[in-house]
Amino acid sequence: DTAVSQTPKYLVTQMGNDKSIKCEQNLGHDTMYWYKQDSKKFLKIMFSYNNKELIINETVPNRFSPKSPDKAHLNLHINSLELGDSAVYFCASSQVGGQGKAFFGQGTRLTVV
Amino acid sequence: QQPVQSPQAVILREGEDAVINCSSSKALYSVHWYRQKHGEAPVFLMILLKGGEQKGHDKISASFNEKKQQSSLYLTASQLSYSGTYFCGTDSADGLTFGKGTHLIIQP
Repeated sequence: DTAVSQTPKYLVTQMGNDKSIKCEQNLGHDTMYWYKQDSKKFLKIMFSYNNKELIINETVPNRFSPKSPDKAHLNLHINSLELGDSAVYFCASSQVGGQGKAFFGQGTRLTVV
Repeated sequence: QQPVQSPQAVILREGEDAVINCSSSKALYSVHWYRQKHGEAPVFLMILLKGGEQKGHDKISASFNEKKQQSSLYLTASQLSYSGTYFCGTDSADGLTFGKGTHLIIQP
């Protein structure tokens, strides 16, 4: 069984569209994250959810919004997509406080054309 | 604020050693190390929870100097399979934040 699963793996869309990426973890972890990895491979944290509460929110445009229907899911919604949003997005989960290792999903390669 | 890693890139011949450093301006609860192969997700290597702690498996080890808010990853007698991008992750009040990564290339 996959510990952290993301869908879709690839996403190609036009500028201005709205899209969502889904993430599910079956590890029973309390904390889930979204990271953006650009072409330079920099892993930038976007959001972190702990027990369904947003605990950090970096300088991410408000076009990006995380949605957590329950502890096992953290979906990422993106409105009005722009060319600069093209990147690989990783979902991850860990135990509360980061005392446990983080497990990453396979990543979603988003291409905005 | 993300931790600072150095060097940005390392090219080694098989069998050589490397050290990757990670430092933070914030108090740390723990330090994580991950390796990412091209086209794949980052994979956990180890976590150091206490100052002075040292860990290792196979020929990869790490240390954590809590007072200096620094950690180092040591790769000994490198193998081709060690190639990839290494990230240190620091856990603080802001959550699990990663450095910009160190690209490690091992040549035969």
